[in-house]
Amino acid sequence: GQNIDQPTEMTATEGAIVQINCTYQTSGFNGLFWYQQHAGEAPTFLSYNVLDGLEEKGRFSSFLSRSKGYSYLLLKELQMKDSASYLCAVRDSNYQLIWGAGTKLIIKP
Amino acid sequence: TAGITQAPTSQILAAGRSMTLRCTQDMRHNAMYWYRQDLGLGLRLIHYSNTAGTTGKGEVPDGYSVSRANTDDFPLTLASAVPSQTSVYFCASSGGYNNEQFFGPGTRLTVL
Repeated sequence: GQNIDQPTEMTATEGAIVQINCTYQTSGFNGLFWYQQHAGEAPTFLSYNVLDGLEEKGRFSSFLSRSKGYSYLLLKELQMKDSASYLCAVRDSNYQLIWGAGTKLIIKP
Repeated sequence: TAGITQAPTSQILAAGRSMTLRCTQDMRHNAMYWYRQDLGLGLRLIHYSNTAGTTGKGEVPDGYSVSRANTDDFPLTLASAVPSQTSVYFCASSGGYNNEQFFGPGTRLTVL
């Protein structure tokens, strides 16, 4: 079967750095996405990785290792507005997205 | 531009009744999707459409039907609602540089 694993919840301090991990086992691989979802709102696209390595976008970076079936989202200089759920999704061989259950990130002052 | 709109925002529905959730996009994306999101579970694909005139079944299609008469609209119909269909429903379309998915604001449906 297809499976995406991410921690259910994480807590971090404002101004700090946090890394959210995602491991996957899917039928084929055509890219990995990270989305942010604030409570009661729709998911919004954050980043995309299809080749191994690090993609940096301002305070957010995403890393991929295809051989290990592993990705992480790194958030720097945390702000209170970063409190949200972070969803990892893999595009499989059918070009459908398989979604993880999401990691709820709680930022404390 | 509006992006993707969904209606209604929320609805309480009696079990056994039918209902259509509306979804419209103005981005001219070919592919559109319906997901349900339940607490503790990831987004689960109900139905999808790769282009106008075609539809396909996702992971959890039972009890739902869709149609894609044109590029912009992708309605989801529950023929006879059951309490297990209580959920938040998101419509999405895909496009952009990485063919990422863009989501509508969601419909919160409660079936009693």
